[in-house]
Amino acid sequence: QKEVEQNSGPLSVPEGAIASLNCTYSDRGSQSFFWYRQYSGKSPELIMSIYSNGDKEDGRFTAQLNKASQYVSLLIRDSQPSDSATYLCAAGATGGYNKLIFGAGTRLAVHP
Amino acid sequence: DAGVTQSPTHLIKTRGQHVTLRCSPISGHKSVSWYQQVLGQGPQFIFQYYEKEERGRGNFPDRFSARQFPNYSSELNVNALLLGDSALYLCASRGGQGDSAFFGQGTRLTVV
Repeated sequence: QKEVEQNSGPLSVPEGAIASLNCTYSDRGSQSFFWYRQYSGKSPELIMSIYSNGDKEDGRFTAQLNKASQYVSLLIRDSQPSDSATYLCAAGATGGYNKLIFGAGTRLAVHP
Repeated sequence: DAGVTQSPTHLIKTRGQHVTLRCSPISGHKSVSWYQQVLGQGPQFIFQYYEKEERGRGNFPDRFSARQFPNYSSELNVNALLLGDSALYLCASRGGQGDSAFFGQGTRLTVV
């Protein structure tokens, strides 16, 4: 059973700090990785995609991928209370179709 | 440009009934996937359709079925509803293999 593991949290950070969210995956063949933000009662919203080892930056968000360690992370700089949400990590499954395997999510709370 | 649209947004059904959920992908996207998200968990893959053909199926019973139409919209059908089918049902649209998946607002199904 291919899995994606995340710490459920809550991860509590003060406003303006860096929030660091982590994820590990078991399918060595996965080539695509995604971070989604999900507010309570809403659907997941795509934040970042990453396909190659290293860092990818988009505004206040940086995704990091290490395929050798099967590890993906998301850094949120200058965290704002509006960033408080559940962050879902997803890995693209191998097998020739577009299945995503999701972790259970990490709840982030940014306090003023 | 319209995003992924799902209908209805909320639905209450009785055990044993049947339900049909609908999804229209982003214009130009030919891949539609369905996910079930139970409270406190990440989305679980149900089906993927591409070019009107089923390309993948998750670990769900035969009570779940789906289809994709010539205009790439899709329906998810669930027969003989159980209380455990209560969940947020998400439709995801992708342009191609490995591309980012964009979710609709979801259908909240409650089975009583």
